[in-house]
Amino acid sequence: QVHLQESGPGLVKPSETLSLTCSVSGGSISSYFWSWIRQSPGRGLQHIGYVSNSGSIRYNPSLKSRVTISLDTSKNQVSLKLTSVTAADTAIYYCARGQDVAVDWGQGTLVTVSS
Amino acid sequence: EIVMTQSPATLSVSPGERATLSCRASENVNSNLVWYQQKPGQAPSLLISSASTRATGVPARFSGSGSGTEFTLTISSLQSEDSARYYCQQYNSWRWTFGQGTKVEI
Repeated sequence: QVHLQESGPGLVKPSETLSLTCSVSGGSISSYFWSWIRQSPGRGLQHIGYVSNSGSIRYNPSLKSRVTISLDTSKNQVSLKLTSVTAADTAIYYCARGQDVAVDWGQGTLVTVSS
Repeated sequence: EIVMTQSPATLSVSPGERATLSCRASENVNSNLVWYQQKPGQAPSLLISSASTRATGVPARFSGSGSGTEFTLTISSLQSEDSARYYCQQYNSWRWTFGQGTKVEI
């Protein structure tokens, strides 16, 4: 059973960078696809992007200019960086495992963008 | 972007009744359709993939059908623990898109 745990600051100031980490246990991140998904009352569930087990990465075009997803195999972690955040980026951020389907989800972490 | 539209927004049913949830895609997604269940304060959890394949451990009262642009999630005999929001998601495109959800109240 793969377990995912998101972590990072719960409050980020406008125009700054949101940085989150997804720590994975019970499996190697090199074996799977990983996605970041966010959920907000106004936008619902939104796929931010994914990184494959071969290292290929794709981003939601609406966020592409601001987002970076990467793998740290030494720590078995998946990371998300979102630059120049605004209030519209306030959401619960989830990491998820799966290529076509989010088979496993982290519990999610609420990130609020506010000064 | 493939737009997913779910109906109804809210469904109020009694225990033991049948619930039928609909999901429509703005273009053909073949059978590349997933259903998730989300309870308050929790992450979504996988119910059904490939439009009709139940995930491990999902009770048989949950069933999915459809292909192309029209899909249905049926809960044959509602239990109190089925009170949740249900989302559909397409993966015909690498860029997953989700419906806005149907809230099932029991």
